[in-house]
Amino acid sequence: DTAVSQTPKYLVTQMGNDKSIKCEQNLGHDTMYWYKQDSKKFLKIMFSYNNKELIINETVPNRFSPKSPDKAHLNLHINSLELGDSAVYFCASSHRDRDYEQYFGPGTRLTVT
Amino acid sequence: QKEVEQDPGPLSVPEGAIVSLNCTYSNSAFQYFMWYRQYSRKGPELLMYTYSSGNKEDGRFTAQVDKSSKYISLFIRDSQPSDSATYLCAMRISGSARQLTFGSGTQLTVLP
Repeated sequence: DTAVSQTPKYLVTQMGNDKSIKCEQNLGHDTMYWYKQDSKKFLKIMFSYNNKELIINETVPNRFSPKSPDKAHLNLHINSLELGDSAVYFCASSHRDRDYEQYFGPGTRLTVT
Repeated sequence: QKEVEQDPGPLSVPEGAIVSLNCTYSNSAFQYFMWYRQYSRKGPELLMYTYSSGNKEDGRFTAQVDKSSKYISLFIRDSQPSDSATYLCAMRISGSARQLTFGSGTQLTVLP
């Protein structure tokens, strides 16, 4: 059984388009995250939700909008895609009290052309 | 200067070698120290975490934290080809809803 799943796995799109990435976890965790990993493997937090409430909101362009319909799901919508948005986006989840132990999804490789 | 610095490698060692991976950091408020392993085209997975200073051992892996030097290490004994991956250190300050700050990862290859 997949613990943290993301769809799609690959996303190739043109500049200016709008796209969404979906994430689901079946671990019973109450906290979920979006990370961006650039080409140099640097992993940076974008957002975090606890029980559908936004608790971490890093300095990210407002073209990125997360949504958490329930504590098992966290989606990321990106408007007006730019070349610099090309990266691998990881979803992760944890218990809030053990947020050092995060479980990551397989990643969504976004390429903007 | 980044809060967490990690030598990107790449690091190649023969099978059976002892591997030492290191990170330095600048924020003295960091209290939780983690090591994640990331295989190619996969998400990171937690290997070990340590709270505050000291050593922690888990099988072939030993994590060390030296807060006075702001330096953490991961040692891998009897390294195996299956250990070939990128190793990311991560750190966090105390308190709730705190983010993890990651190093940029060290790419390790263990040659059979």
